[in-house]
Amino acid sequence: DTEVTQTPKHLVMGMTNKKSLKCEQHMGHRAMYWYKQKAKKPPELMFVYSYEKLSINESVPSRFSPECPNSSLLNLHLHALQPEDSALYLCASSQAASGSLSYEQYFGPGTRLTVT
Amino acid sequence: TQLLEQSPQFLSIQEGENLTVYCNSSSVFSSLQWYRQEPGEGPVLLVTVVTGGEVKKLKRLTFQFGDARKDSSLHITAAQPGDTGLYLCARGGVNSGGYQKVTFGIGTKLQVIP
Repeated sequence: DTEVTQTPKHLVMGMTNKKSLKCEQHMGHRAMYWYKQKAKKPPELMFVYSYEKLSINESVPSRFSPECPNSSLLNLHLHALQPEDSALYLCASSQAASGSLSYEQYFGPGTRLTVT
Repeated sequence: TQLLEQSPQFLSIQEGENLTVYCNSSSVFSSLQWYRQEPGEGPVLLVTVVTGGEVKKLKRLTFQFGDARKDSSLHITAAQPGDTGLYLCARGGVNSGGYQKVTFGIGTKLQVIP
């Protein structure tokens, strides 16, 4: 099973709302990632979790708050977002967080977020 | 910053034609991945190349890693409409904090017209 699942598929939220994006993998991968992708651009890394600990935060605004409850789950909590945060949010996992295997990432289908 | 350049950025061809897309960097790759992304979906890993001069085939797709490991190409033979998508190359690297991360090229958007 090489599947990474993400929910919801689509999300529309106002600037005062609080919502969460969820990601799950059952491949036994020890690294999980959040990416943001704007139209016609490549994915941009936001956060990396390695063995359930946050290892990379790419200077992401605090209105995005990641959480890794266990090795299979990754959440992204959203609060007070801006319209420019509208994008496709992708979750990914990899077998390891170091070494060449960390570069082979398996992506979920993404959550299309619209902030109004 | 270890930049990845991809060319062309856009390509529209007729079904049955052949095409090649390129991924280049000024620095050496330890490994390089190719992904395909369809609209509204996440990227799907196609292949990893590691050894200079390596050639890998995936059905009608042929991936080549340059001898100096600074460039790679993806060749598609007899393109089909199902090949339509965004083709991304990606490389691993280390950020300023010493943690490994993947950097994506800007992508080649391919449209295959039936």
